[in-house]
Amino acid sequence: KAGVTQTPRYLIKTRGQQVTLSCSPISGHRSVSWYQQTPGQGLQFLFEYFSETQRNKGNFPGRFSGRQFSNSRSEMNVSTLELGDSALYLCASSSGRLSPDTQYFGPGTRLTVL
Amino acid sequence: SQELEQSPQSLIVQEGKNLTINCTSSKTLYGLYWYKQKYGEGLIFLMMLQKGGEEKSHEKITAKLDEKKQQSSLHITASQPSHAGIYLCGADMRAAQGGSEKLVFGKGTKLTVNP
Repeated sequence: KAGVTQTPRYLIKTRGQQVTLSCSPISGHRSVSWYQQTPGQGLQFLFEYFSETQRNKGNFPGRFSGRQFSNSRSEMNVSTLELGDSALYLCASSSGRLSPDTQYFGPGTRLTVL
Repeated sequence: SQELEQSPQSLIVQEGKNLTINCTSSKTLYGLYWYKQKYGEGLIFLMMLQKGGEEKSHEKITAKLDEKKQQSSLHITASQPSHAGIYLCGADMRAAQGGSEKLVFGKGTKLTVNP
């Protein structure tokens, strides 16, 4: 089975721009979660999508949004980029059942905001 | 406040030595996951523990969850350079917050193994 894929792997943007990141989950997985990883804050949960609906949300501003398509692929969008948005963005896929449900991570997208 | 505390923050060992990484929570853990990350890359799933007192092993790595389900340890026997990386524990906070699974992670332990 192919693993979780994320595109692009690297991205450089300037402040004020917006960006869209993509995640393709493991075949058969219906849940996709997004995380932001920075040296200072570590790995922080952004949101989770299951069956095209946002099922869970972390404590991030509304500039961070996402969606999930009928094939379970997910996109994450960040509008009006700030320098502090520079981070490694990771997505994880899982079956979507409530308990327990191991998450498998993609390689991440490294976003640099200048 | 950080809900999961990992210790130590970094660890440097000589190849062949044993080591232990700890993960502690002030709340009951309903699922505890251990992952390994190479710098700047994705997380590789190692093990998941759910029951108090549970212990799992994979090759030279053993993870345990204490009876109270508030602390987990990851033990590596006879470490090798291939064990180097960042080890992260993640906990299922679903039961504490309601709703579906949501993982909270510790800040990680950076392991260096010198040949």
